[in-house]
This record gives sequence, C-alpha cells and structure tokens, in this order.
Amino acid sequence: KAGVTQTPRYLIKTRGQQVTLSCSPISGHRSVSWYQQTPGQGLQFLFEYFSETQRNKGNFPGRFSGRQFSNSRSEMNVSTLELGDSALYLCASSLSGGRPEAFFGQGTRLTVV
Amino acid sequence: AQSVTQLGSHVSVSEGALVLLRCNYSSSVPPYLFWYVQYPNQGLQLLLKYTSAATLVKGINGFEAEFKKSETSFHLTKPSAHMSDAAEYFCAVTQLRGSSNTGKLIFGQGTTLQVKP
Repeated sequence: KAGVTQTPRYLIKTRGQQVTLSCSPISGHRSVSWYQQTPGQGLQFLFEYFSETQRNKGNFPGRFSGRQFSNSRSEMNVSTLELGDSALYLCASSLSGGRPEAFFGQGTRLTVV
Repeated sequence: AQSVTQLGSHVSVSEGALVLLRCNYSSSVPPYLFWYVQYPNQGLQLLLKYTSAATLVKGINGFEAEFKKSETSFHLTKPSAHMSDAAEYFCAVTQLRGSSNTGKLIFGQGTTLQVKP
C-alpha cells in the first residue's frame, strides 16, 4: 500500500507570493492533517480535514488555508508569503474513528526568500 | 491547555547501551499517546502507540514504551542502542475535547538521540 505522498518535495518562493502544497493520503484514509515544523517552534498543527470538511484548526493566520477533495486528497495554500513561513510542511493521514494513528508524508520543504 | 514535555533535547548513549527517552503529558484524562521518529530530511515515522489497551506497548525496531497514568508519563526505551537509531524522536498526544480524542496531535519539542560507537 502506498504511503502518504506530498508534492513538491522542495519549493523556493519569494516574499509576497503564494504557494500551494499537495497531499495524497493512504488509500482508504479519510482524515488529512497538516503540520508546520520549524527549528524554533517545533511541530505545530495547522488544520485537519475529514470528508471534505475542516474539522479542526490551529492558531495560524488566515493566510494559511486548506481544502480536501472528494478523493480525500488535500491541498494547503499560503498566500502573501513571509520569510517566517519557511518551514517543513508535513501532511498526515489517518483512518479516523477507532484507528487514531497518523501516518506522515516526507514533507514539503518551503523556503521563502 | 494540554502539553507534552520531553525531558532532554539531546540524549547521547553508546552503541549497545540502554536508550531511555522521557515524555510527560498534561491532562487529567489519558489521551492517545504516540512516539514518532524523524530522520534528517524525512517525515515522521510511527514507532508505537498507546490507545488505552495494554500499558506496555511494543513498537518497531525493538522500541517499547510504558504508559503510567499515575506519573502521566510515556517513556520510550530500547534495551540496546544501534547506530541506526540516531535520529530525532517526538512524543505526541491527541488533543482532547472533554474526554474525547480529536484528530489533532500535540507534539513535544523532540529529543535528538546520538549513538556513539
């Protein structure tokens, strides 16, 4: 069974631009979550989607948004990029319900210059 | 607010020695608990999980963890360290809403394990 796939693996963007990151969950998983990892703040929760609905949201500004499609694939968008948005963005998928463990993708390394 | 504390940002052991990575959580109701490992430039790999069944949980690569409710702890151990165990380890808990687990994970700050030959 294929794991969680995130594309692209690496991105370099300029301040003020916007970016879209993609995540394909494990087949059959309906819950997708996004996390930001930085050396200073560690791993921080961005949001969770289940059956195309945002079920939970972290404390990030409105520039960070996401969505989930009917096939459970998810995208995350960051608008008006700032230098501080440079981070590893990780996507995780889970079955939800009685199987709470989350499986992570390799991440997208975003560098804002 | 719930939190996870990992004692020691860096732990160094000799190859073949016991590995002990400490994790304490703060909530009156036990959440689900997890240990993940991250190798450089990689995502997180699930090592093991506690979901209110057996308190001693066995995971992959010879790791295990014991859930102790009275101490609100979930320490990770491995009897004999291998060079390939050098990585960063994260303890995580599910966010609770009342007594129900949500899909959000709250992570500790991580512990970097160094294994010396």
